[in-house]
Amino acid sequence: EPEVTQTPSHQVTQMGQEVILRCVPISNHLYFYWYRQILGQKVEFLVSFYNNEISEKSEIFDDQFSVERPDGSNFTLKIRSTKLEDSAMYFCASIGLAGGLGTDTQYFGPGTRLTVL
Amino acid sequence: GESVGLHLPTLSVQEGDNSIINCAYSNSASDYFIWYKQESGKGPQFIIDIRSNMDKRQGQRVTVLLNKTVKHLSLQIAATQPGDSAVYFCAENGGATNKLIFGTGTLLAVQP
Repeated sequence: EPEVTQTPSHQVTQMGQEVILRCVPISNHLYFYWYRQILGQKVEFLVSFYNNEISEKSEIFDDQFSVERPDGSNFTLKIRSTKLEDSAMYFCASIGLAGGLGTDTQYFGPGTRLTVL
Repeated sequence: GESVGLHLPTLSVQEGDNSIINCAYSNSASDYFIWYKQESGKGPQFIIDIRSNMDKRQGQRVTVLLNKTVKHLSLQIAATQPGDSAVYFCAENGGATNKLIFGTGTLLAVQP
């Protein structure tokens, strides 16, 4: 069964450093998302991406964040200068929107745990 | 503002019993709802979804009920098993970009 994959599974970085979180969405999907989950809290939307551009972003997604789809398979989230409060699980998700129940559902990757020291 | 929330933060059930997890949403214009299961250290896993033109939808051992009058969503799990132990989130499709608005989550603990 196709799945969303993410690397690395765990990233430890120093405050102020840049990190890049990587995702490979399901191959025929068209819409891509990043979400964040601070430990013990709910999953929060960060950004949606379609047709090689951001379609929507949340208040969390400030100038320190950027996304890119550098090729036909990878989807990345970059944090330019990490802060302590960026420590969280980051999930990538994708949708195919082929129509019908279940086919416009977002399928999530396993997440990257980011720890900022 | 828009929000999706849960009534119960934890639910403890005996193995074999039925479980009911509840969720309230505030945006009456929402037309698509999803239940996700999240096991420790993993990403949200799709369980079942329902559109606003339906009141009920059944899957394997799971049923989702939607009451639009009171803006309430529930997930019923039949014959709950230890493997069902996880945090369950309801989510609401948040508009044209299909972003998801998640509820707080309910921890389901299945006692053997």
